[in-house]
Amino acid sequence: SQQGEEDPQALSIQEGENATMNCSYKTSINNLQWYRQNSGRGLVHLILIRSNEREKHSGRLRVTLDTSKKSSSLLITASRAADTASYFCATAFYGNNRLAFGKGNQVVVIP
Amino acid sequence: GAVVSQHPSWVICKSGTSVKIECRSLDFQATTMFWYRQFPKQSLMLMATSNEGSKATYEQGVEKDKFLINHASLTLSTLTVTSAHPEDSSFYICSARDPAQNYEQYFGPGTRLTVT
Repeated sequence: SQQGEEDPQALSIQEGENATMNCSYKTSINNLQWYRQNSGRGLVHLILIRSNEREKHSGRLRVTLDTSKKSSSLLITASRAADTASYFCATAFYGNNRLAFGKGNQVVVIP
Repeated sequence: GAVVSQHPSWVICKSGTSVKIECRSLDFQATTMFWYRQFPKQSLMLMATSNEGSKATYEQGVEKDKFLINHASLTLSTLTVTSAHPEDSSFYICSARDPAQNYEQYFGPGTRLTVT
């Protein structure tokens, strides 16, 4: 069953602004991952945060994880037109290779 | 990073025919590969886990006789959609887990299947 869930959002922002999207899940996880998907393409892995981590950075990306609330957020700072894509969170469980994907957030960055 | 390819990238077939989709890990050996299906503007739904040298594990609700999975080598898994129907039209994505990279799955570019 799909665990990682975020409210499917369509976010439209101006270039240079920050974009924030959220993800919630239902059960204990090993780690949570964020992926980007351009229209009609495969997924690109962005960042992985482990269950014992609370925050992680990678370039313009900042991910937080709150295991008490079973939620995560992805922040893209200083957005660019090339950031226009759908963003998915996916949760991985202990002893299980499988990923459960959330519904996705569509982000449009207007030049 | 690790690269996963899929072939074909898109395919159109007639209702009732079968279609085979290949998933290859190009620079690593993958004992485990995964097959997902994605409908337009929706998320990825895991269909099955493909294990090299053994039978695939299918998710609940996925017909194993309709979606045949073969993982004959450490670098190749195939998904065959048998007796395809228009409702099977979808974007099929595979991923492969690199044993040298904990937890991370590498995704193929996807295959767009259209059944007419």
